[in-house]
Amino acid sequence: AQSVTQPDIHITVSEGASLELRCNYSYGATPYLFWYVQSPGQGLQLLLKYFSGDTLVQGIKGFEAEFKRSQSSFNLRKPSVHWSDAAEYFCAVGAYTGFQKLVFGTGTRLLVSP
Amino acid sequence: GAGVSQSPSNKVTEKGKDVELRCDPISGHTALYWYRQRLGQGLEFLIYFQGNSAPDKSGLPSDRFSAERTGESVSTLTIQRTQQEDSAVYLCASSLGGGGRVGQPQHFGDGTRLSIL
Repeated sequence: AQSVTQPDIHITVSEGASLELRCNYSYGATPYLFWYVQSPGQGLQLLLKYFSGDTLVQGIKGFEAEFKRSQSSFNLRKPSVHWSDAAEYFCAVGAYTGFQKLVFGTGTRLLVSP
Repeated sequence: GAGVSQSPSNKVTEKGKDVELRCDPISGHTALYWYRQRLGQGLEFLIYFQGNSAPDKSGLPSDRFSAERTGESVSTLTIQRTQQEDSAVYLCASSLGGGGRVGQPQHFGDGTRLSIL
């Protein structure tokens, strides 16, 4: 069965600094991978997705993620963090088992310091 | 509407009462999903609808939980005889398709925050 690990529960980054959020997945075939962001009191917004092809994918709000099959990772990056990026970030793996079922990691809460 | 709409946004009820949560998916989205998010945790899959049928109910935690969907649109999640452990945010998502349409992203509503006293 597929699973997702986000090893960092909290991360604090200074505004303007670079960011990398880690995500490791477990799945027997080529996965579909997603990053979602959740602001307080709101639902999840899709940042980016990987299905196939170029392993570096670009998303909204200046985020990107790199799929590394050899490391079973799909880390999210941003070169310069803004205070508005403070939120909870979820990595998810999708597997087609008759329908696309998403399995989410437990999330990483990003705090941005001035 | 433009996005997935859930109501109510907040619900406080006493233990033992029944509650009904509603989800209006994006128009034209045939696939609909319910998730539960407990405080400080990730999302737990509850149930998936393709059209009006639910091919996967494997995530429903007990027989107190049920869901239905009508007209390939609105879905309701019902929790009977609520318990304190049911307190969570219940999120609904929809996507363009399930069967045969892999890789479609799920679009989420803002959730219903359910508190059981």
